[in-house]
Amino acid sequence: DAGVIQSPRHEVTEMGQEVTLRCKPISGHNSLFWYRQTMMRGLELLIYFNNNVPIDDSGMPEDRFSAKMPNASFSTLKIQPSEPRDSAVYFCASSLGGVRLNSPLHFGNGTRLTVT
Amino acid sequence: RKEVEQDPGPFNVPEGATVAFNCTYSNSASQSFFWYRQDCRKEPKLLMSVYSSGNEDGRFTAQLNRASQYISLLIRDSKLSDSATYLCVVNHVTFGTGTKLQVIP
Repeated sequence: DAGVIQSPRHEVTEMGQEVTLRCKPISGHNSLFWYRQTMMRGLELLIYFNNNVPIDDSGMPEDRFSAKMPNASFSTLKIQPSEPRDSAVYFCASSLGGVRLNSPLHFGNGTRLTVT
Repeated sequence: RKEVEQDPGPFNVPEGATVAFNCTYSNSASQSFFWYRQDCRKEPKLLMSVYSSGNEDGRFTAQLNRASQYISLLIRDSKLSDSATYLCVVNHVTFGTGTKLQVIP
């Protein structure tokens, strides 16, 4: 059974460039979450979708960040333009039932982003 | 005050020891609680859910104290393989910053 699949695993880019992170949730899961992890701030929820609809994007840092979920099997997180402070590990996770049910999150391997 | 707070550690304990972590949360209306484990440079993975009456899974015991708004994780007979960062999660999506455990031979 395939888990949550993220790509790329590593991304190194220069300040000002556009970065697109991709995620394929577990088949049948109807909720998808994007997190950012840094040493200083830990795991921060950026946005989550339920049935492909964004439910809470209050964690998105600023307008440079955007996320889409065009269908149940694919989501993207885009940063444009990127800045050095965006350097972090970005995780995608999926679950059954969203935040209303007691269903755990299944994380992808993460994308390690470095912006120079 | 942060929504979820944990002692970052590290907790350095010898093999076979019993170790306990606490995690406090600020929202008294919180409904769901979990413990996740994260190994270095890996993704978090579910360790166990935390139920109101407390629950046990082998060497691991999780408890919830609603009056004092904290959850706890107890690990008995620590193994070297237990070395990791333990993250508490409240309301399904809000993570603490984690407590690092190092089990020493």
